[in-house]
Amino acid sequence: GAGVSQTPSNKVTEKGKYVELRCDPISGHTALYWYRQSLGQGPEFLIYFQGTGAADDSGLPNDRFFAVRPEGSVSTLKIQRTERGDSAVYLCASSFGTSYNEQFFGPGTRLTVL
Amino acid sequence: GENVEQHPSTLSVQEGDSAVIKCTYSDSASNYFPWYKQELGKRPQLIIDIRSNVGEKKDQRIAVTLNKTAKHFSLHITETQPEDSAVYFCAANQGGKLIFGQGTELSVKP
Repeated sequence: GAGVSQTPSNKVTEKGKYVELRCDPISGHTALYWYRQSLGQGPEFLIYFQGTGAADDSGLPNDRFFAVRPEGSVSTLKIQRTERGDSAVYLCASSFGTSYNEQFFGPGTRLTVL
Repeated sequence: GENVEQHPSTLSVQEGDSAVIKCTYSDSASNYFPWYKQELGKRPQLIIDIRSNVGEKKDQRIAVTLNKTAKHFSLHITETQPEDSAVYFCAANQGGKLIFGQGTELSVKP
């Protein structure tokens, strides 16, 4: 079946603009995660959803970042008033449940803030 | 919160040799430890994982060991091949989310 998909694959924006990044998880996966990966670093947790609700948003760096998953499937990560420091690859992952289950990653969205 | 340390940051081996990557974690409540391989420009892919009730797991040339008392776990790759060259990340599960190490860039020279 289809894996996790993310759109767009690349996004270039100007400082101060608003961006939306989309994630389509594997069908039937109840858990969905957002991570951010900077060059030469491991993925850094941002937020995860169990169904429609955010189970843990402790990784969101500040209130410019927000994510939704209104129907328990597709998720959108929203970044307001982008800053150059937001430039990174934003990875989405999904899994059946959370405790011992493999997280399958999408290809990521490379965000560049000029 | 959980903190995961990974060593070494780079590792170069000759084809056919073994490679070992080590990680330590801080939260004794962590109960699941996956290892991901990430090739340049690609997504992380799971290569092996271990649960906290198991001390060792093996899958062909790859093995992982876990020492809960010392809070460390290791990845062992035997008979390395050039296609094993990539960045490897360890992680610890904390309440559902994964906390990743900093990564090890493995280079296997033919």
